[in-house]
Amino acid sequence: DGGITQSPKYLFRKEGQNVTLSCEQNLNHDAMYWYRQDPGQGLRLIYYSQIVNDFQKGDIAEGYSVSREKKESFPLTVTSAQKNPTAFYLCASSRVGPYEQYFGPGTRLTVT
Amino acid sequence: EDKVVQSPLSLVVHEGDTVTLNCSYEVTNFRSLLWYKQEKKAPTFLFMLTSSGIEKKSGRLSSILDKKELFSILNITATQTGDSAIYLCAVLFGNEKLTFGTGTRLTIIP
Repeated sequence: DGGITQSPKYLFRKEGQNVTLSCEQNLNHDAMYWYRQDPGQGLRLIYYSQIVNDFQKGDIAEGYSVSREKKESFPLTVTSAQKNPTAFYLCASSRVGPYEQYFGPGTRLTVT
Repeated sequence: EDKVVQSPLSLVVHEGDTVTLNCSYEVTNFRSLLWYKQEKKAPTFLFMLTSSGIEKKSGRLSSILDKKELFSILNITATQTGDSAIYLCAVLFGNEKLTFGTGTRLTIIP
């Protein structure tokens, strides 16, 4: 089955620790995206990548980092510099161009 | 600044009613407008609209785009409890970034 997987579903971390969220897709899509969703704020773009070994900052990139070493994988690291990391994180992928994005099931991160 | 505004923010109706959800936008270099349904976790794709005045339809759901007035509507007829969800509108602009609205939370009462 083709799709996008994110792991883990739930993640708990102590303040000051970096944490990496996994995103894998087998849809053969070139473009991948990371969004953050907070209650009442819709989805906000963190980082996106349209080709391997290249990525761009989205609207709220501060405190996050990404890598794109393989077409299938786009991991997101939430660093200790992110002031308010508790949120629901969604990964998406698409073909490059004006095409719909397909979303993974999300990871809910709680930092205390 | 690119902006997508959805209204209403929340809507509660009875099963069988018809609802209309609104999405207006201000973006540069518009390419397309997308509607998603989000029930618990991953948003699922409903429609992508690129041309004005052409209705897209899927079962009881339909959507249309007005590029002159910069808005889109999503209609759901004969609503069912399974339609309860957050409906997200997003606009794709020049560099293939999606800008999302805050969503409309739709609740269908049996």
